[in-house]
Amino acid sequence: DAGVIQSPRHEVTEMGQEVTLRCKPISGHDYLFWYRQTMMRGLELLIYFNNNVPIDDSGMPEDRFSAKMPNASFSTLKIQPSEPRDSAVYFCASSFPLGNEQFFGPGTRLTVL
Amino acid sequence: GDSVTQMEGPVTLSEEAFLTINCTYTATGYPSLFWYVQYPGEGLQLLLKATKADDKGSNKGFEATYRKETTSFHLEKGSVQVSDSAVYFCALTSIKAAGNKLTFGGGTRVLVKP
Repeated sequence: DAGVIQSPRHEVTEMGQEVTLRCKPISGHDYLFWYRQTMMRGLELLIYFNNNVPIDDSGMPEDRFSAKMPNASFSTLKIQPSEPRDSAVYFCASSFPLGNEQFFGPGTRLTVL
Repeated sequence: GDSVTQMEGPVTLSEEAFLTINCTYTATGYPSLFWYVQYPGEGLQLLLKATKADDKGSNKGFEATYRKETTSFHLEKGSVQVSDSAVYFCALTSIKAAGNKLTFGGGTRVLVKP
């Protein structure tokens, strides 16, 4: 298996622009998680899905952030409009239904100028 | 709620030194405990885990024992290598946590010098 796939790996954008991050979970995993990692705040869980349904989005920082999972093999995290404080590494992870290990993607490094 | 506390870094060591990273937790019920490692420029990957009290997880020379009486899961390695330089995260998932939701510690950066 190719593991969790994220794109793009790096994104540089200007303040006010829309940013879309993409994730393809491991086939057969029915939980998908979005995390944000910064030096100041460490690793934060933003939202997670089960069977394509958002279960807990309490970590989403503001209405500027939204996430979707239209099918079992694809999810997006969108920031609109983006701000410099959104600069971070965003990770996607997926897990088996009955296991308790999460598999992480390589992350997307977002820089908002 | 659940929480994980781990020692702050950075921890700087010489090659072949002994490494210990302390981790303590607070959780309801009987959590499963994990150590994840993040190498530079990469995502997190599972290093080892333990699912019940007194279990010992081990991998790549690292070990950690689930100590329920002290609510701890300290990570140890007897002889570190330069390639062990990374950030290490202690984490737990509670049996009551839906969807294998992980609670992470703040991470400990380890730097091993030749």
